[in-house]
Amino acid sequence: GQQVMQIPQYQHVQEGEDFTTYCNSSTTLSNIQWYKQRPGGHPVFLIQLVKSGEVKKQKRLTFQFGEAKKNSSLHITATQTTDVGTYFCAGPERAKSNYQLIWGAGTKLIIKP
Amino acid sequence: NAGVTQTPKFQVLKTGQSMTLQCAQDMNHEYMSWYRQDPGMGLRLIHYSVGAGITDQGEVPNGYNVSRSTTEDFPLRLLSAAPSQTSVYFCASSYSGGAETQYFGPGTRLLVL
Repeated sequence: GQQVMQIPQYQHVQEGEDFTTYCNSSTTLSNIQWYKQRPGGHPVFLIQLVKSGEVKKQKRLTFQFGEAKKNSSLHITATQTTDVGTYFCAGPERAKSNYQLIWGAGTKLIIKP
Repeated sequence: NAGVTQTPKFQVLKTGQSMTLQCAQDMNHEYMSWYRQDPGMGLRLIHYSVGAGITDQGEVPNGYNVSRSTTEDFPLRLLSAAPSQTSVYFCASSYSGGAETQYFGPGTRLLVL
């Protein structure tokens, strides 16, 4: 079945440095979603990308969807302590008679003290 | 709106015990699901429901049962707890399908001794 690979598993940065996480699917995706999970919290939806080559921005966060719709990235400029958490990508896969989200394993953003 | 609520927040069980994790949503969402989250493994779908009276298995259903008697509630039952079921359990809902934006509850942290 479809797989969604996400790298890196962890990224340690100094506050103010940039952060990037990459998501790769084994198949073409109709869309890709990004979620953020704060430590001890639950995943919270950030954004959905639908179009080939799409780029969306939310303040310091930039999301890209690849031309082939098989990869995506999330880039955070000038990280802040409020950015700490785990970022997940997820893409839909048809399973039985329904579509389900297949999740990447997440990238944990850690700010060095 | 309370969104998606889960009880309990924490639970410790002994091997072989059974219990029910509660999940409720007040957004009139048709689709509800249960995930488990283990370190480094992202979110894995246990069971899901596309509406009252309809449930189906996800990726890791063994050892769990669900029912959906109302639109609002989707309890998850552990039949005979095992240490391998130690995890964080999230309930999620969406308007109508598994590939849409998912709204997560706060989670239940379960430890099986």
